Amino acid sequence: GDSVTQMEGPVTLSEEAFLTINCTYTATGYPSLFWYVQYPGEGLQLLLKATKADDKGSNKGFEATYRKETTSFHLEKGSVQVSDSAVYFCALSETGGFKTIFGAGTRLFVKA
Amino acid sequence: NAGVTQTPKFQVLKTGQSMTLQCAQDMNHEYMSWYRQDPGMGLRLIHYSVGAGITDQGEVPNGYNVSRSTTEDFPLRLLSAAPSQTSVYFCASSYSKFRRNTEAFFGQGTRLTVV
Repeated sequence: GDSVTQMEGPVTLSEEAFLTINCTYTATGYPSLFWYVQYPGEGLQLLLKATKADDKGSNKGFEATYRKETTSFHLEKGSVQVSDSAVYFCALSETGGFKTIFGAGTRLFVKA
Repeated sequence: NAGVTQTPKFQVLKTGQSMTLQCAQDMNHEYMSWYRQDPGMGLRLIHYSVGAGITDQGEVPNGYNVSRSTTEDFPLRLLSAAPSQTSVYFCASSYSKFRRNTEAFFGQGTRLTVV
C-alpha cells in the first residue's frame, strides 16, 4: 500500500541555519503531497502542498518540490527561526481517494 | 468559519469508564477520520468515514466505536477506557465532491488521560 517515510528527528539547528527534512513516498498513481506542521499544544495545519510532478509548494519561507523520478518531497527553508520549532509531517493523499497517509513526523528544535 | 471542532480539549477518565469524543465540521466534507498521537509514533488512524452511514476501521480500532449519522458529526466512543488509551486524539476532515480538495483539516485535539 501507499506509504510515507521521513527522516527521524529530532533535528536541532541554530537560528538562521538551513533546514532540510527528507521525505520519500510509495504510491500507485499520482498522489497529492503535503507538509503539515504541528506547533506545541496544537493540531496539525497545512504548511504547503503540491498536486502534480515538478510542482513546488511554498509558504512562510518553506519550499518543497514534487519529484516523481525520485518519489521525494523534501522540505527546505533557507534560514530557520526559533518560531519554526515544531513537528513537521510529510503526507500524501491517494489519487482520487479520501485517505491521507502521514509520515512519522520530524521534530525540529531551533536554538537562538 | 469554524472548520473542525473537537470537544472536550482535556479529559481524565478512570479505567473502565466510557466516554464520547465529539467532532463536528462545517465544510461539507465527506471524509472524516480519527487519529491518535502518541510520543514518537506519529499519527495512527483509528476509524474513518467516507460519508454519512459509512464507517471503516483504520490501523488501531480496538476499544473504539464510531458512527456517522450526519455529514457534520463523527463522534468517537471509548467503550471501556484503559491506560493504553492515554493519548492525544485528533479528528480530521477532507474532500468534498463539490470542491475537490484533498487537504486535511484538523481539530485542536483532545488530550485524554486514563488512570
